[in-house]
Amino acid sequence: GEDVEQSLFLSVREGDSSVINCTYTDSSSTYLYWYKQEPGAGLQLLTYIFSNMDMKQDQRLTVLLNKKDKHLSLRIADTQTGDSAIYFCAERGRTGGFKTIFGAGTRLFVKA
Amino acid sequence: NAGVTQTPKFRVLKTGQSMTLLCAQDMNHEYMYWYRQDPGMGLRLIHYSVGEGTTAKGEVPDGYNVSRLKKQNFLLGLESAAPSQTSVYFCASTPGTVSYEQYFGPGTRLTVT
Repeated sequence: GEDVEQSLFLSVREGDSSVINCTYTDSSSTYLYWYKQEPGAGLQLLTYIFSNMDMKQDQRLTVLLNKKDKHLSLRIADTQTGDSAIYFCAERGRTGGFKTIFGAGTRLFVKA
Repeated sequence: NAGVTQTPKFRVLKTGQSMTLLCAQDMNHEYMYWYRQDPGMGLRLIHYSVGEGTTAKGEVPDGYNVSRLKKQNFLLGLESAAPSQTSVYFCASTPGTVSYEQYFGPGTRLTVT
């Protein structure tokens, strides 16, 4: 079945850039997402990219998509302590109620 | 708009007890989903619904039942709780096929002893 994989932890210093990587297996993915989860809360959509795009920039966030390698990355520029959270990569296919498959989440630690 | 709400927020059950988790959305969304979140495993889909009166199995449906009698509500039932069902449960909704985003509730933390 479809799978989404990402590393579990990332630690950066405040002000540095963070890069969170993700790989997926479903070649029919239509949308790829990055969600953010803060402690004790549900997931909130951070950004998304359509499968026919290579890059999307949104303020401090840059999403890069390599469809050939099925690799997605999220870059956060000038990382702040408020960016500390769990970041989930997810992909949405074309079948089965447009289900979204989530990765296990990358916990980002930002050191002051 | 309240968005997606879940009740209760916390619950402790003994093995074999039953309970129902309620999810409500006031955005007139067609699709609704129940996930469970376990450490190191991300979110796994339990059941979902593509409209009022319809439900379908997700990735981990065993031990759970669902109902969508009204468009705004999606109920998740545990008939006989087991310790393996200790988890955080999230409900989500989305308008339909053209939407790119799922809207999540705040979660229900369930412990089965």
